[in-house]
Amino acid sequence: DAGVIQSPRHEVTEMGQEVTLRCKPISGHNSLFWYRQTMMRGLELLIYFNNNVPIDDSGMPEDRFSAKMPNASFSTLKIQPSEPRDSAVYFCASSLNRGREKLFFGSGTQLSVL
Amino acid sequence: AQKITQTQPGMFVQEKEAVTLDCTYDTSDQSYGLFWYKQPSSGEMIFLIYQGSYDEQNATEGRYSLNFQKARKSANLVISASQLGDSAMYFCAMREGDSGAGSYQLTFGKGTKLSVIP
Repeated sequence: DAGVIQSPRHEVTEMGQEVTLRCKPISGHNSLFWYRQTMMRGLELLIYFNNNVPIDDSGMPEDRFSAKMPNASFSTLKIQPSEPRDSAVYFCASSLNRGREKLFFGSGTQLSVL
Repeated sequence: AQKITQTQPGMFVQEKEAVTLDCTYDTSDQSYGLFWYKQPSSGEMIFLIYQGSYDEQNATEGRYSLNFQKARKSANLVISASQLGDSAMYFCAMREGDSGAGSYQLTFGKGTKLSVIP
């Protein structure tokens, strides 16, 4: 099993540019999560999907952020336009939607907005 | 109020000694789960151990054990026989609600940075 696959590993962009982060969950998992990690705020849940349907997007900072899951094997997190305060590590995680199931995390995308 | 509190920003332990990382939680749910993850300097998130609120025994996984005190709402991680490779950030997390309720996200604490001294 390849695990959760995120791309790119690192992204450096200029303020105002569009950024798209990609995630492939583990095959068979039906829950997918996007987290953001910063020194100041720790790990924050941005949005999560069950069976490709967004369940809770209350953690999405503002309208500049959007996430999609067009099918069970792919999700994107888009920031448009990006700002320097969006600089963080963005993690995608997946799991089975059963209470005892752990989250499997991808390697993360280190985003730097200059 | 924070749902997960880790009061130790940093901890030091001598190699081969045991160490306890503290975690307290806040929930009104009867059914919930508690998780510990390790994040080494390379950045990946590694699952360590899980404790369900209805589990009668404390969870153990190799050198990791969870000291679960339900009445105190604490779920401390105990690492026995520390190794240099244990140096990392450790995060406590909670999943609230009954399974099947559709709420499977984890809420994380701020983490504890553990440094193992040779």
